[in-house]
Amino acid sequence: DGGITQSPKYLFRKEGQNVTLSCEQNLNHDAMYWYRQDPGQGLRLIYYSQIVNDFQKGDIAEGYSVSREKKESFPLTVTSAQKNPTAFYLCASTPPGAREQFFGPGTRLTVL
Amino acid sequence: SQKIEQNSEALNIQEGKTATLTCNYTNYSPAYLQWYRQDPGRGPVFLLLIRENEKEKRKERLKVTFDTTLKQSLFHITASQPADSATYLCALGDNNAGNMLTFGGGTRLMVKP
Repeated sequence: DGGITQSPKYLFRKEGQNVTLSCEQNLNHDAMYWYRQDPGQGLRLIYYSQIVNDFQKGDIAEGYSVSREKKESFPLTVTSAQKNPTAFYLCASTPPGAREQFFGPGTRLTVL
Repeated sequence: SQKIEQNSEALNIQEGKTATLTCNYTNYSPAYLQWYRQDPGRGPVFLLLIRENEKEKRKERLKVTFDTTLKQSLFHITASQPADSATYLCALGDNNAGNMLTFGGGTRLMVKP
């Protein structure tokens, strides 16, 4: 059963703590993306990766970090430097040669 | 800076009618435009892509138009059903190497039986 998985679905963290959100895909897609969505707003690009061991900053990368050690995995770390981390985080990937993006189910992060 | 505008107010229509959603943009010359459906608490799902040299695209009950002069796309759902109730996002892209998209804020559609 192919697709993109994100875990956990809900995540709570205390202020000042780093937290890592998981994103895994078995679709053999090269390109992967992380977005942040706030209530009533569109998706904003945090980081993207076109290939293993390479990634680029998006529009709102400050306070976030990523890694791409495997094609299947693109974890996002929300650091304590992110001033307003409470949001819905979405991971996506794109097939080679295509333009549409396939999204995971999302992780809702709440900072207590 | 690039700006994409979708009507932030919910669109309420009666079942069976045609729903029309609007996506306007400024300071952008996209190579293509995409529409996605998003249900509450879930990730967006791709619906349609239309390129800058295409005027109209259809898929079942869905129709998208793209007017690069007006800098506007219209998204139509004919014979709407309550199951079509969701938020619809438009996204613009160009032929950049990263295949990055810029998303609008979405319009919530409510189809009443």
